[in-house]
Amino acid sequence: EVQLVESGGGLVQPGGSLRLSCAASGFTFSSYEMNWVRQAPGKGLEWVSYISSSGSTIYYADSVKGRFTISRDNAKNSLYLQMNSLRAEDTAVYYCARGAMKENYFDYWGQGTLVTVSS
Amino acid sequence: SYELTQPPSVSVSPGQTASITCSGDKLGDKYACWYQQKPGQSPVLVIYQDSKRPSGIPERFSGSNSGNTATLTISGTQAMDEADYYCQAWDSSIPYVFGTGTKVTVL
Repeated sequence: EVQLVESGGGLVQPGGSLRLSCAASGFTFSSYEMNWVRQAPGKGLEWVSYISSSGSTIYYADSVKGRFTISRDNAKNSLYLQMNSLRAEDTAVYYCARGAMKENYFDYWGQGTLVTVSS
Repeated sequence: SYELTQPPSVSVSPGQTASITCSGDKLGDKYACWYQQKPGQSPVLVIYQDSKRPSGIPERFSGSNSGNTATLTISGTQAMDEADYYCQAWDSSIPYVFGTGTKVTVL
C-alpha cells in the first residue's frame, strides 16, 4: 500500500524557517517524481514544487522561488521542503504528492501538514 | 500564465447527473485530470488522461476534454459524492495548474 506521511508543520513567525518531511513507503520511491502542493485555509490547491526521481530536475512555483528548496533522499525514502523567509501567505496545509509514472498528474497524496505563519 | 476556470458550485439531486466544467485556452490539446476532496481529507484522483478512471473509482465518474473545456460527469450522483472537485493540467509555463475548484452539493 502506497503511503505518504508528512511531518514538520507548525507555527512560525514571519521571516522564519521550517523544514517539512514526507516519508514514503509501499513503492519504489527512487523511481518516482515527487511534488509539494499546498492549500491555504478555505482556498484551492496550489502546486509548489517538483523534483525528478533522481533529484536532478527541480521546478518551483513563482510564489516560492528563491525561498523554498525541495530535496529528496532516495536511500531514506524521504522528500523534503526547506522553507525560508516565510510569509503570512504561506500559511497552508502542505501535501506531499507522488507524480504518476511518466505522467503529469498526482496519483497519491499524503494527509498533509499545517504550516501557520503568524506573529 | 495558464489558468483553469471552474464554476464555484454545482447542485444536483440524488440520482441525477452532475456536470462540472473546467475551461482553459486550448485545454483539449492537453491531458486533464480531476481530483475529489472531501472536507478535512486529502485530494483523491478520480479521472486521469481526460477520461480514465483509477482502480477503485466508481463507474459513475467519467470525463471528457475537447476544445477549451474539460468536463467531469457524475452519473447517478450519490450523497457520498458531495465534495470539492479540482481539475488539473500540465503546462510548460507553470508546469502544474489546478482549476479554481467546484463545490458539488447533493440536495
